[in-house]
Amino acid sequence: AQSVTQLGSHVSVSEGALVLLRCNYSSSVPPYLFWYVQYPNQGLQLLLKYTSAATLVKGINGFEAEFKKSETSFHLTKPSAHMSDAAEYFCAVTLSVYLGGSEKLVFGKGTKLTVNP
Amino acid sequence: NAGVTQTPKFRVLKTGQSMTLLCAQDMNHEYMYWYRQDPGMGLRLIHYSVGEGTTAKGEVPDGYNVSRLKKQNFLLGLESAAPSQTSVYFCASSYHAASAYEQYFGPGTRLTVT
Repeated sequence: AQSVTQLGSHVSVSEGALVLLRCNYSSSVPPYLFWYVQYPNQGLQLLLKYTSAATLVKGINGFEAEFKKSETSFHLTKPSAHMSDAAEYFCAVTLSVYLGGSEKLVFGKGTKLTVNP
Repeated sequence: NAGVTQTPKFRVLKTGQSMTLLCAQDMNHEYMYWYRQDPGMGLRLIHYSVGEGTTAKGEVPDGYNVSRLKKQNFLLGLESAAPSQTSVYFCASSYHAASAYEQYFGPGTRLTVT
């Protein structure tokens, strides 16, 4: 079964600094990968997704992630953090239903990002 | 469009009481999901539905029941609440299978069982 591991439950950066949130996946076949963001007291919203097209995926709010099969990673980055980026970020994985996957997403445990002024 | 709405937003129950959480979506989505979110645990899937009249178990289904009598609604029931069910519950919907389509989330229901 597929799974994701997010390294670091809390990450703190200064405003203007690089944001790097780590996600590693486990899957026997190429997966579909997602990053979702949750702002305080809100539901989740999609930042970006990888579905086997370009390995570098650009999302909303200046975020991007790169799929690296050799490292089984899908790390999320943003060149310059903004105060409004403070939120919790979730990596998620699923498989295409055509590869024996299902209709379900499996989420990581989340990384809470703090941005310091 | 209102998107995905959840009722109620907050609820406090005593152990043994029952309640139903309502999720409604106005996007004509086929798939609907119920998750619970606990600190340090991420989101865990309780039950899901791939269409009107269908339901299936997720990762943590025990103590919960669901129904999808109408395409736009997905109900989550707790027959006899326990303190371990204190959590934030999120409903989500998607046009089709999770692998191809974005899941849209509701704002959540914060449930406390005393």
